[in-house]
Amino acid sequence: DAGITQSPRHKVTETGTPVTLRCHQTENHRYMYWYRQDPGHGLRLIHYSYGVKDTDKGEVSDGYSVSRSKTEDFLLTLESATSSQTSVYFCAITEGLAEYNEQFFGPGTRLTVL
Amino acid sequence: AQKVTQAQTEISVVEKEDVTLDCVYETRDTTYYLFWYKQPPSGELVFLIRRNSFDEQNEISGRYSWNFQKSTSSFNFTITASQVVDSAVYFCALRPRGSGNTPLVFGKGTRLSVIA
Repeated sequence: DAGITQSPRHKVTETGTPVTLRCHQTENHRYMYWYRQDPGHGLRLIHYSYGVKDTDKGEVSDGYSVSRSKTEDFLLTLESATSSQTSVYFCAITEGLAEYNEQFFGPGTRLTVL
Repeated sequence: AQKVTQAQTEISVVEKEDVTLDCVYETRDTTYYLFWYKQPPSGELVFLIRRNSFDEQNEISGRYSWNFQKSTSSFNFTITASQVVDSAVYFCALRPRGSGNTPLVFGKGTRLSVIA
């Protein structure tokens, strides 16, 4: 257990509303990631962070922003949600600093945009 | 560019059959890392194994075994004597050389259904 929690676990919202998903970890991991999972697409990287205030874009970053003001929290924001952002969102961390370390995932957030 | 291909979208087997899940990867790096994850119906992602590119030794863990072949850029996963509890989506992933922050690149997954 890598001590990762995500909130909310489920959310239904309407098109055009802002949404923020939170990833919280308790073990001081430096590297954090946001992925989305969609049928037929597997897991695709949205954004990632390599330290407080240090973030970078992933493969599908359009329409998303992130913030990391504390080591333990990595926030994903949909500024104006669209139906195409209906998905399951997973947060992940890499334990330690070594490049061979695996990623561990949070439980996921199921987001539905109507 | 880095890419992982899992050509099998869905596989269905009868319990106790052996099944192999294929994974083919593309990378220009000479050092890289390969991973397998399992996603059971409950939805969580569970790490199964990591393999370094410089270690081609195959690995066996109970009913699970992994065959890594650099010559064919493949990292296949075999379940022997499958069980219903093996039903899940399985993901293969690649991390190119970099640092611990380099994100994993995932294949699209293979859904395995084991029928009793």
